[in-house]
Amino acid sequence: EAQVTQNPRYLITVTGKKLTVTCSQNMNHEYMSWYRQDPGLGLRQIYYSMNVEVTDKGDVPEGYKVSRKEKRNFPLILESPSPNQTSLYFCASRDTANYGYTFGSGTRLTVV
Amino acid sequence: GNSVTQMEGPVTLSEEAFLTINCTYTATGYPSLFWYVQYPGEGLQLLLKATKADDKGSNKGFEATYRKETTSFHLEKGSVQVSDSAVYFCALTPSGNTPLVFGKGTRLSVIA
Repeated sequence: EAQVTQNPRYLITVTGKKLTVTCSQNMNHEYMSWYRQDPGLGLRQIYYSMNVEVTDKGDVPEGYKVSRKEKRNFPLILESPSPNQTSLYFCASRDTANYGYTFGSGTRLTVV
Repeated sequence: GNSVTQMEGPVTLSEEAFLTINCTYTATGYPSLFWYVQYPGEGLQLLLKATKADDKGSNKGFEATYRKETTSFHLEKGSVQVSDSAVYFCALTPSGNTPLVFGKGTRLSVIA
């Protein structure tokens, strides 16, 4: 089944403790992206990647890092999480032929 | 820049009522337009899309027509069901290599 898999689904952590949210897709998509969803703000893009070793900032990149060492994986790294990064995070990949995005099921992160 | 404006919710309808969720956009060139749906506790799913002016996207009884003259892509359904209760996002991408830009989402509640 074609899918984007994120882990974990839920995470509660403390301020300053480094964490990684993993994202993997099995569709051989070149384009991958991370979004955060907050009430009243909709979805905002954090980072995206056009291909292996190619990443770029989205609208709200501060406090986040990403890497794209292989095509299928696009982890989101929070080196020193803060409470304002409490949010619902979505990873997505895109078929550049027809622009269709496939989203993961989301990771609900709480930073206390 | 590129942006999407959609009507604020929540929208509450009775079962079998007619649904319209307004969406207008600002973009350079000829963007592709999308509607995504997010059911409770899930990620976003592509509902329908249109890639050029006057195209009509349709799926599961929902329709939207790409109107370049009014820069709009309103979502409609003739008879909603309780199972349509979800958050609906209008989105655009100016081209195949640019990020997806989302509206803030409209929550729809359908009551029996």
